[in-house]
Amino acid sequence: NAGVMQNPRHLVRRRGQEARLRCSPMKGHSHVYWYRQLPEEGLKFMVYLQKENIIDESGMPKERFSAEFPKEGPSILRIQQVVRGDSAAYFCASSPVQLGNTIYFGEGSWLTVV
Amino acid sequence: KQEVTQIPAALSVPEGENLVLNCSFTDSAIYNLQWFRQDPGKGLTSLLLIQSSQREQTSGRLNASLDKSSGRSTLYIAASQPGDSATYLCAVREGSGTYKYIFGTGTRLKVLA
Repeated sequence: NAGVMQNPRHLVRRRGQEARLRCSPMKGHSHVYWYRQLPEEGLKFMVYLQKENIIDESGMPKERFSAEFPKEGPSILRIQQVVRGDSAAYFCASSPVQLGNTIYFGEGSWLTVV
Repeated sequence: KQEVTQIPAALSVPEGENLVLNCSFTDSAIYNLQWFRQDPGKGLTSLLLIQSSQREQTSGRLNASLDKSSGRSTLYIAASQPGDSATYLCAVREGSGTYKYIFGTGTRLKVLA
């Protein structure tokens, strides 16, 4: 049973470009969570999605950030017009049920904005 | 608003030492608490999960305790090894009706051979 798969693992973008980060949850998991880890800071919740639904996006910046989890395919975190402050590690996690005890994290996508 | 603090931020110990990592949280109304390990450039690996009704959990050389009333948890690592070098993160889940975890900033542990 493969774990949570994230790609790309490392991404470099110039200011103003778009970044797309993908997350495939563990097999059988239909709940996906995105967290962001800024340098020297703890992980911060961004968004929680189920298939075709955004359940909670209270941690998402109001502009430039969006997320989706289509019926088919991975969840995607999209950052438009990236700025240097978007440089961070973006972690995806999944769980089989909404309030499952344990969530499983992927290895993260490291975004560097130059 | 729940805040999670981890002390110390960094720690270096010689191989073989027993050590304790500390985690404190401001709101004692938690559902569970997890300790994670993060290696450089890697994701998070769950080490131990303690439910709010439990006092401690053990796995191998690791023991985690929880004192909800005082808002504290400790992670005890026995007979430390260089392979234990990593960042250790503490995270609390506030209630059964929420799925969000509140993370501390971690303790960077280095075990010297």
